[in-house]
Amino acid sequence: QSALTQPRSVSGSPGQSVTISCTGTSTDVGRYNFVSWFQQHPGKVPKLIIYDVNKRPSGVFDRFSGSKSGNTASLTISGLQPDDEADYYCSSYAASYTFVFGTGTKVTVL
Amino acid sequence: EVQLVESGGGLVQPGRSLRLSCRASGFTFGDYAVSWVRQAPGKGLEWVGFIRSKAYGEIAEYAASVKDRFTILRDDSESIAYLQMNSLQTEDTAVYYCTRDVYLGSGNPYYYYPMDVWGQGTTVTVSS
Repeated sequence: QSALTQPRSVSGSPGQSVTISCTGTSTDVGRYNFVSWFQQHPGKVPKLIIYDVNKRPSGVFDRFSGSKSGNTASLTISGLQPDDEADYYCSSYAASYTFVFGTGTKVTVL
Repeated sequence: EVQLVESGGGLVQPGRSLRLSCRASGFTFGDYAVSWVRQAPGKGLEWVGFIRSKAYGEIAEYAASVKDRFTILRDDSESIAYLQMNSLQTEDTAVYYCTRDVYLGSGNPYYYYPMDVWGQGTTVTVSS
């Protein structure tokens, strides 16, 4: 199972919106709605911010939103804030009862 | 407090074995699946495998990269999950995290709530 493809980096100014793509195949992202997103600050443990494509766990700001079209899922961060600077990983359920993570995207707040 | 604490990491020679532990507290461990995720130095997250809860047969699944070398077990009476790693290779060097999941289903999940609680990680270094 190959890793899902994400852009290596995206950047934006405070207050702007950025979108991170996560491209898989018809056997993972395209087949299942079990797509999740995780935020990881440097030296910290990953944190779940989106599950089931577009649902937010309790306590996660509504500035984070998810969507999916075909084999590509997306995470949008609206109203970018300095604390949003982190690495972001998508994840999807895949064939044969396995999961796969994305390659990761570094978000820089300019 | 809901918590997962990993232990057992260390320096090990290629070809040797190591067992990691993940001790849970603050919640009913037996109701949850447990996943293991690793992160090599400076690299991204890699899913290693998971074990379903007892209600779904404690069936474990593995990534292709570790299948037939790694085994995930659980002891609900002690609220501990284990990752038994055999035939370790230098590519297995990473921080290993355990996570709490809700995975309902013996095969494909009919409900899945992913990785909402993570341990702090334990470092495994495979080197001669």
